[in-house]
Amino acid sequence: QKEVEQNSGPLSVPEGAIASLNCTYSDRGSQSFFWYRQYSGKSPELIMSIYSNGDKEDGRFTAQLNKASQYVSLLIRDSQPSDSATYLCAVGYTGNQFYFGTGTSLTVIP
Amino acid sequence: DAEITQSPRHKITETGRQVTLACHQTWNHNNMFWYRQDLGHGLRLIHYSYGVQDTNKGEVSDGYSVSRSNTEDLPLTLESAASSQTSVYFCASSESIAGVWGEQYFGPGTRLTVT
Repeated sequence: QKEVEQNSGPLSVPEGAIASLNCTYSDRGSQSFFWYRQYSGKSPELIMSIYSNGDKEDGRFTAQLNKASQYVSLLIRDSQPSDSATYLCAVGYTGNQFYFGTGTSLTVIP
Repeated sequence: DAEITQSPRHKITETGRQVTLACHQTWNHNNMFWYRQDLGHGLRLIHYSYGVQDTNKGEVSDGYSVSRSNTEDLPLTLESAASSQTSVYFCASSESIAGVWGEQYFGPGTRLTVT
């Protein structure tokens, strides 16, 4: 089992819809969780960080964390074509390890 | 504003040559990382450092080395470049407090081609 798993996609949603991106991890002791957006040819850009169970909202983005299920998700409301990118989930494991998933490709169709 | 920079942004080199990629951060972060990113593999960790004089191997460290003589810089050296090292290289930095990881911030990347 990989340390951080994401569906590779591609995920396609129509403009204005909600895009839902999911991530699971294997270390129950993990305490920090991150979502990054990466446009083609660019570096990963931090979108959200979440440290506690529940939801965290920032504009059109909501991160959801469920430590019992070892699951973290990212919801993008009112999706825009500019949201088309690869989304990377990252988890800070115990024991000084930090892992990235391989990313989910999202396409928002105008 | 704090930032992390990489140089060069693009590099073409020949097989067997030694190459050094620079990374400089002004976040004053203790932790610094080097990743490579290839199609189909996502980000793979090459080396990382938790502070001055500390370096550690990541999952794909063969053929690479790093040194950390100050907080701001973590240069990555390819001892003898190989075509398999053609990739995009990202440097990142982060802080961790009481064992809890903070956000990693990335540099713009270096596209390296080994011919």
